[in-house]
Amino acid sequence: GENVEQHPSTLSVQEGDSAVIKCTYSDSASNYFPWYKQELGKGPQLIIDIRSNVGEKKDQRIAVTLNKTAKHFSLHITETQPEDSAVYFCAASMGTGGFKTIFGAGTRLFVKA
Amino acid sequence: GAGVSQTPSNKVTEKGKYVELRCDPISGHTALYWYRQSLGQGPEFLIYFQGTGAADDSGLPNDRFFAVRPEGSVSTLKIQRTERGDSAVYLCASGAPNSPLHFGNGTRLTVT
Repeated sequence: GENVEQHPSTLSVQEGDSAVIKCTYSDSASNYFPWYKQELGKGPQLIIDIRSNVGEKKDQRIAVTLNKTAKHFSLHITETQPEDSAVYFCAASMGTGGFKTIFGAGTRLFVKA
Repeated sequence: GAGVSQTPSNKVTEKGKYVELRCDPISGHTALYWYRQSLGQGPEFLIYFQGTGAADDSGLPNDRFFAVRPEGSVSTLKIQRTERGDSAVYLCASGAPNSPLHFGNGTRLTVT
């Protein structure tokens, strides 16, 4: 089955700097890669996603890149702000709305003011 | 609109007892998922439903865990003979075709 590895487990950056989180997946059949942000006491919330027919996607300060050949994908947050501090999870699935989604172990991001 | 609702938000039970955790998905979402999240870990897949049937229950750790979704909407995760190792946050998510998963805030289960 699918296995998703995520690095680093903890990341501390200064406000205004960029943050990068990297993930690898094992199943070449996976074609949908969402990223979730989880705040304390809440469920994960989708922040951005990418499908395998696209190499990069951007939404304001957040971007995701995908390398299908190498089976890895990354989250980039630019101009970080203290409210970006949270746990971020990458995930992989064979589609949306009806496929098993496997999550990475998470990255705890600290943005220092 | 209403999101995914999970009740109770917290549940404390004694070792050996039976518990039920409830999930109300977003109206119209045909897919419903249960995940378990231990402290400092990512959500671990347990089971997912398409409509009323369990499409994949490969993540259920053993036969003490069971989930139902009798009318294709609300789902209940049932745990028999609870053990201290079952303590975790149990997350429910729902999804529609071509939409990502939407999570509830989870039920924190503590087995004493």
